[in-house]
Amino acid sequence: EPEVTQTPSHQVTQMGQEVILRCVPISNHLYFYWYRQILGQKVEFLVSFYNNEISEKSEIFDDQFSVERPDGSNFTLKIRSTKLEDSAMYFCASLGMTHMNTEAFFGQGTRLTVV
Amino acid sequence: DAKTTQPPSMDCAEGRAANLPCNHSTISGNEYVYWYRQIHSQGPQYIIHGLKNNETNEMASLIITEDRKSSTLILPHATLRDTAVYYCIGKSQGGSEKLVFGKGTKLTVNP
Repeated sequence: EPEVTQTPSHQVTQMGQEVILRCVPISNHLYFYWYRQILGQKVEFLVSFYNNEISEKSEIFDDQFSVERPDGSNFTLKIRSTKLEDSAMYFCASLGMTHMNTEAFFGQGTRLTVV
Repeated sequence: DAKTTQPPSMDCAEGRAANLPCNHSTISGNEYVYWYRQIHSQGPQYIIHGLKNNETNEMASLIITEDRKSSTLILPHATLRDTAVYYCIGKSQGGSEKLVFGKGTKLTVNP
């Protein structure tokens, strides 16, 4: 079964440092998403991406965050200057949008710890 | 997206059916009911979705009331591996809109 792959599985970074979280979506999917989940809290939407541009973003997705799909396969989330409160699980998801495939597939997540 | 209401937790004996309810009284005519689950802190996993007819796949069955104000996810023979948080989400099918996760139902399957 096709799957969404995220790397690294765990990232520890110092406050103020930049981090890049990487995702390889399912190959024929067209819509890509990042979600995050702070420990013990709900899964929260961050951003959606289609046709090489952001289609929707949440209030959480401020100027510290950016996304790109640099090479047509990888989909990355960059946090420019991490804060302690950015510590969370970050999930990438992709969606195919065919009539047979309307469910989003999630990766296993990257646990980001900011110290 | 429709607001959904689920009980915070449920227990089920291994091998028995687990019936997880969801209220979605404000769901609109074009919104489907999607179910996902999250095991530990893994990525959410799609289970099933439906509009108004009952649906069944290899994982579960989905029963939607005729007025579409509520639904029940049925895991026919729950196993310990089904212990997870189950999310009921209203979303238009074929739409690329985000999923809005609530707190879900923590299902614990007991031996």
